[in-house]
Amino acid sequence: AQRVTQPEKLLSVFKGAPVELKCNYSYSGSPELFWYVQYSRQRLQLLLRHISRESIKGFTADLNKGETSFHLKKPFAQEEDSAMYYCALNPNRGSTLGRLYFGRGTQLTVWP
Amino acid sequence: ETGVTQSPTHLIKTRGQQVTLRCSSQSGHNTVSWYQQALGQGPQFIFQYYREEENGRGNFPPRFSGLQFPNYSSELNVNALELDDSALYLCASSSASGNTGELFFGEGSRLTVL
Repeated sequence: AQRVTQPEKLLSVFKGAPVELKCNYSYSGSPELFWYVQYSRQRLQLLLRHISRESIKGFTADLNKGETSFHLKKPFAQEEDSAMYYCALNPNRGSTLGRLYFGRGTQLTVWP
Repeated sequence: ETGVTQSPTHLIKTRGQQVTLRCSSQSGHNTVSWYQQALGQGPQFIFQYYREEENGRGNFPPRFSGLQFPNYSSELNVNALELDDSALYLCASSSASGNTGELFFGEGSRLTVL
């Protein structure tokens, strides 16, 4: 069965410090992995997806199939990065089916 | 471009009642998915609608049902409400011909069952 685990419910760092939000998944096939973010008083939105291999707002995430992980990283956190971050898995790679499996989320707080 | 809109934003019901939540998809999107988000949890997939038909369902009982209309808007209906149905219900739209996996979410309807 598909499962997405975000072990940290809360994560606090100081501005300028590196940040890593952990995500592990269980799935036997080749999934697509995503990070969604929800800023205060805003709706849930896509941050990045592993197939794009892009950096968004300074964040990157590498899919490690051996460790079944998709950790989100940023070398220098900013106060505006404070938000709830959700890791999500699409088991139907290449499909537009809107079924994603979400982790429980990690609340990131960046202190000034 | 109009984003996903949901109504109502908040509502309170009692056990055993029925509720209907509504969602208008983003302009140009023909697929609507519904998610339930309990407090402290991530969104959990309920079902998806494409071309007015249910196209995938999560682990939810039949008392959770839905509709999609020709204009791609959608409804989520929950019968015989239970206390555990209290949650934020999120609607998300996407395009069947667009990028996979990117969902555009509404702000949600917060349901409280007393």
